[in-house]
Amino acid sequence: GAVVSQHPSRVICKSGTSVKIECRSLDFQATTMFWYRQFPKQSLMLMATSNEGSKATYEQGVEKDKFLINHASLTLSTLTVTSAHPEDSSFYICSARHPGGQEAFFGQGTRLTVV
Amino acid sequence: DAKTTQPPSMDCAEGRAANLPCNHSTISGNEYVYWYRQIHSQGPQYIIHGLKNNETNEMASLIITEDRKSSTLILPHATLRDTAVYYCIVRVYFGNEKLTFGTGTRLTIIP
Repeated sequence: GAVVSQHPSRVICKSGTSVKIECRSLDFQATTMFWYRQFPKQSLMLMATSNEGSKATYEQGVEKDKFLINHASLTLSTLTVTSAHPEDSSFYICSARHPGGQEAFFGQGTRLTVV
Repeated sequence: DAKTTQPPSMDCAEGRAANLPCNHSTISGNEYVYWYRQIHSQGPQYIIHGLKNNETNEMASLIITEDRKSSTLILPHATLRDTAVYYCIVRVYFGNEKLTFGTGTRLTIIP
């Protein structure tokens, strides 16, 4: 299947700093990518839809000024967690749909720990 | 997207068939049934999807009832690597692309 890659896979940062997570579609172009967040023992919760060349669409309750999303090219979307706090510690996952099919492909996830 | 109901957990002996049920009684005519799984600390992995006919691929089989109100994912010969949380999701084939994840079924394969 198609490959979606996230980087880094694990990051620890200090409270108050910002962290950028990259999501790349390696072998296809994705006009739309999705960002999810998953807390321990919970399901994935959609945070936002990232659209190439336009503003992201955020789900209700997700602060757009805190979770900055940039989708500057058809193969790269970035999520920046600004002024991170310990409660932002979570597993962040991106996904993209291959244009040739309807199934979504997911990155391997990024575990963020804010200390 | 229609809601789904899955048992929270199941066990299956290694080498046996694992049958994971999913209820989606409010599914619409244009909605497909998708199955994904998530192995611990990894991103979800696509398994299979279908509309009304039974489907099979190299990973699993999907059996959808005639009234489409429920389905069963079958892993024919479960291995320890199949231990994961399995998510059943219904969504339209075209249009709204986001996936709404429920709580899924935690499948544990017993040696």
